[in-house]
Parts: sequence; structure tokens; C-alpha cells
Amino acid sequence: EVQLVESGGGLVQPGGSLRLSCAASGFTFSNYDMHWVRQTPGKGLEWVSGIGTAGDTYYPDSVKGRFTISRENAENSLYLQMNSLRAGDTAVYYCAREIWDYMDVWGEGTTVTVSS
Amino acid sequence: DIQMTQSPSSLSASVGDRVTITCRASQSISRSLNWYQQKPGNAPKLLIYTASSLQSGVPSRFSGSESGTDFTLTISSLQPEDFATYYCQQSYSNPPTFGQGTKLEI
Repeated sequence: EVQLVESGGGLVQPGGSLRLSCAASGFTFSNYDMHWVRQTPGKGLEWVSGIGTAGDTYYPDSVKGRFTISRENAENSLYLQMNSLRAGDTAVYYCAREIWDYMDVWGEGTTVTVSS
Repeated sequence: DIQMTQSPSSLSASVGDRVTITCRASQSISRSLNWYQQKPGNAPKLLIYTASSLQSGVPSRFSGSESGTDFTLTISSLQPEDFATYYCQQSYSNPPTFGQGTKLEI
């Protein structure tokens, strides 16, 4: 079964850091581009980073310089290092697999709360 | 960034109704438009990709179409399990952007 499982969420103070993980199973992880997408409480979906099979990375301006996406193919794992966290980063964070130009598999999400 | 505008933001309908949700892109995105369904507490689920291709396992009552920068998701006959929030997403250029969602209610 193709599956993505996120972990690492929690409560962090403003200015703090957190590292999210996404464990992939049931498919050849190294063959796929991967993404992190977040959903703020009561609001919609926002893409926060992507990484290609060659390790190329992409970010929106809202997180550029603060968030770093990485992957470890040998461990079938995707990561998101989040620094200088703000209240506006509070959200459920999903990892998602991309095939061609669409995200066909999503994890169930991990919740990040930035608050003092 | 390409802006995606969905309408309506909410919609009330009944089982058996035919429902249409529209998504407009702020510029041409070819057919690089995907539709997702999300139920409360769950992750988004891919329904339609590249404007009109049905994802494997998705019922055929769901369909997508495109006309220029306007994209449409149609549910031909609403079932109880279809009441959810629907999002469009453009994959034409970075950053990928989502519409604000359409909440489909009974």
C-alpha cells in the first residue's frame, strides 16, 4: 500500500524551530518529486516547498530563507526544517507525492502550533 | 504568482442534484488544473488531474472541463459521501497555487 506518514509536529514558541518528517512506503521514493503543503486553521491549502528527484528545491516567498526541504532516499524519508517560526506558520502540514504535475498521494498531516 | 478563484465559496445541494463548481485562473495555465476533495479531519484526495482526467478509483459521476482560463468540476448526481470541500490547484508554474475552496453542504 502506498503510504505517507508525517511526524514531528508540536507546540513551539515564536522564533523557534521544528523539523518535520515524512516516511514513505509502498513505492520507489527516489523516483518521485515530493512536496509539503500546509492548511491553516479554517482556511485553505498553501504549498510550502517542493523537492525534485535530483534534489532541486523550491519555495514560495512566504517561507524562503526560513524553511528547508530535504530528502533521504536511502531512508525513504522527506524532511522540512522550519526555523524562525511565526504565529502565521500554525497549520496542519501535509507531505504529498507528485506524479507528472499533480499530487496524487497525501499523508494525514502533522499539526504545528506556534504560540508563546 | 497565478491566482485561482473558485466560485461559489459555499453551495447547498441535495442528494441527486447536479452540481458545478468553477475555478478561474488569473492567466493562461493550459490544462494544468487539478481538483481535490477534502472531508473534515482528512487529507485532500485527488479527483481530477489535467483538467479532465479522472483519477483511478474516483466515481464517474465526477468530471472536469476547461474553457480558456475557466475550469469546471461537475458532480452529475450528488451522493451523501460527496458533501465535502473542493479545491482546485494549478500546476502550470511555480509556486503551485490553490483556490480558496468550495464547501458543499446538504
